[in-house]
Amino acid sequence: DIVMTQSPLSLPVTPGEPASISCRSSQSLLHNNGDNYLDWYLQKPGQSPQLLIYLGSKRASGVPDRFRGSGSGTEFTLEIRSVEADDVGVYYCMQALQTPPYMYTFGQGTKLEIK
Amino acid sequence: VQMVQSGPEVRQPGSSVNVSCKASEGTFSSYTINWIRQAPGQGLEWMGRIIPILGISNYAQKLQGRVTMTADKSTMTVYMGLTRLRSEDTAVYYCARAGPYGMDIWGQGTTVTVSS
Repeated sequence: DIVMTQSPLSLPVTPGEPASISCRSSQSLLHNNGDNYLDWYLQKPGQSPQLLIYLGSKRASGVPDRFRGSGSGTEFTLEIRSVEADDVGVYYCMQALQTPPYMYTFGQGTKLEIK
Repeated sequence: VQMVQSGPEVRQPGSSVNVSCKASEGTFSSYTINWIRQAPGQGLEWMGRIIPILGISNYAQKLQGRVTMTADKSTMTVYMGLTRLRSEDTAVYYCARAGPYGMDIWGQGTTVTVSS
């Protein structure tokens, strides 16, 4: 199984300051079609998770441009340019590599809280 | 576009549970449906996926042999069945549709409690 490792696991941030979350994969998520099969999700308190970033760097519909995904292969980063109170929750990376055996895995999650 | 899941379930250890997820027609024919669970206070765990239009499924290694995902084309409903339940299966179970652009639509979650 591909293992996903996130850091930090806890992230206290002052509103208006930037934040960064790292996600490392035990195997390359770069497909031979050139896409990186790495997504980012945010689970706000009491809600179902929501998609933020897909294919490593593409923002999902309606996601503010202060969220930015980057990276390739085994190293990925989610950056929030200027954290707002509404960004509180747990952020998960997930690998969805489109090759057999089509088994996906989530990282442990990073809890972002406001200082 | 919505994914509407069935209601909460309480089961005894050793029994089975079926959770349903009703999708819209476009979702059923063009996307895969994934199942993800979250134990109390824990992170997200991917359980498996099904391509509803083909009935082909893939399961997480640790659940193989206990989980089955099926699709009913007539009602556009996907089912996740889990057998030989144990206390560690107590969790909120989510379905989510996935296409080329990630898992973009999630169900509201179904709480399954395994307790004697």
